[in-house]
Amino acid sequence: DVKVTQSSRYLVKRTGEKVFLECVQDMDHENMFWYRQDPGLGLRLIYFSYDVKMKEKGDIPEGYSVSREKKERFSLILESASTNQTSMYLCASSLQYEQFFGPGTRLTVL
Amino acid sequence: DQQVKQNSPSLSVQEGRISILNCDYTNSMFDYFLWYKKYPAEGPTFLISISSIKDKNEDGRFTVFLNKSAKHLSLHIVPSQPGDSAVYFCAANSGTYKYIFGTGTRLKVLA
Repeated sequence: DVKVTQSSRYLVKRTGEKVFLECVQDMDHENMFWYRQDPGLGLRLIYFSYDVKMKEKGDIPEGYSVSREKKERFSLILESASTNQTSMYLCASSLQYEQFFGPGTRLTVL
Repeated sequence: DQQVKQNSPSLSVQEGRISILNCDYTNSMFDYFLWYKKYPAEGPTFLISISSIKDKNEDGRFTVFLNKSAKHLSLHIVPSQPGDSAVYFCAANSGTYKYIFGTGTRLKVLA
């Protein structure tokens, strides 16, 4: 079974803090993705990576950066958290079309 | 500009009846479509997919229909079960790394 794990299920941070969200997959997938899910907006792509050290901006990259130093690990970084980044963050990996998602991190920025 | 639209935010169906979830898209370059199911506090899980060269794909109780001329796809669940209650997202891909997701439809199956 493909497993995608995320470092935290729930996280509360203060405005201006630097936040790291970690994602690990165990299926040797080339592609990894970070989405955020907000009510009425569906899943919106923040960044994706198609190889180690390779990344591409998604639809809403502002305020975020990513790091992929190893194939199995893809990190999302909020350089200076703001209240409008309060959301559910979902990591996914894929080999071809089907994406496998982690359980999500519910981030609240106060 | 929403390229993939799920116009019904919610749907209620009696147990045992058919659930039909709809999805419309605008980009004719999309060539692969997927449906995901999401329970609260969990990540989406893949349900079923269809390539643009087909008009129907079936997997057990789940069937996806694609009407390319109308740029419309639908997911049929027969018979519906209480465990099917979840949010359903359709997603489209045009052969790149990028997937475009709809906003989701919350299905409630009433026992």
